[in-house]
Amino acid sequence: GAVVSQHPSRVICKSGTSVKIECRSLDFQATTMFWYRQFPKQSLMLMATSNEGSKATYEQGVEKDKFLINHASLTLSTLTVTSAHPEDSSFYICSADPGLLNTEAFFGQGTRLTVV
Amino acid sequence: AQSVAQPEDQVNVAEGNPLTVKCTYSVSGNPYLFWYVQYPNRGLQFLLKYITGDNLVKGSYGFEAEFNKSQTSFHLKKPSALVSDSALYFCAVRDSGKAAGNKLTFGGGTRVLVKP
Repeated sequence: GAVVSQHPSRVICKSGTSVKIECRSLDFQATTMFWYRQFPKQSLMLMATSNEGSKATYEQGVEKDKFLINHASLTLSTLTVTSAHPEDSSFYICSADPGLLNTEAFFGQGTRLTVV
Repeated sequence: AQSVAQPEDQVNVAEGNPLTVKCTYSVSGNPYLFWYVQYPNRGLQFLLKYITGDNLVKGSYGFEAEFNKSQTSFHLKKPSALVSDSALYFCAVRDSGKAAGNKLTFGGGTRVLVKP
């Protein structure tokens, strides 16, 4: 299957700092990328939908100024958690979508963010 | 709006016994249905999908799922479970109508524990 690379896999940062997470589709062009947050033993919560060259669409309740998403190319989307706080600690997962409704989405390995 | 329900938080099964993970869905149009598996601190791995055609779909690692339109279900099955099948399983749905976009909606997840 297609490969989506998410980096870093783990990051620990201090409160107040910003952290950038990268999501790359390695062997296909992703017209859309999705960013999810997953709490322990829970399902994935969609945070935002990112389309190449346009502003991301955020889900209700997700602060767009706190979770900055950039989709600069058809193979790269980034999520920046700004001014991180301990409550932002979570598992963040990206997925890249080839753009066909009948095609599965491909997921990155996830990033475990710990804010201390 | 589309939704997915996985009624069981956890399924316990002895190794070698059949495994079933239940999923029901709701969409306004025709459904595209997916199953993913997640191992600890990892992203989601695609198992199988139903798009159209034969209601019985075969996927990776010996898993299969049966689409039942009248019951709006898409239960995941494996005839003989392995200890290595212990993981978190997610059912997801996408509405085939283009107006709905390509957003995936996930169920809450079912933890499978296969005991030796």
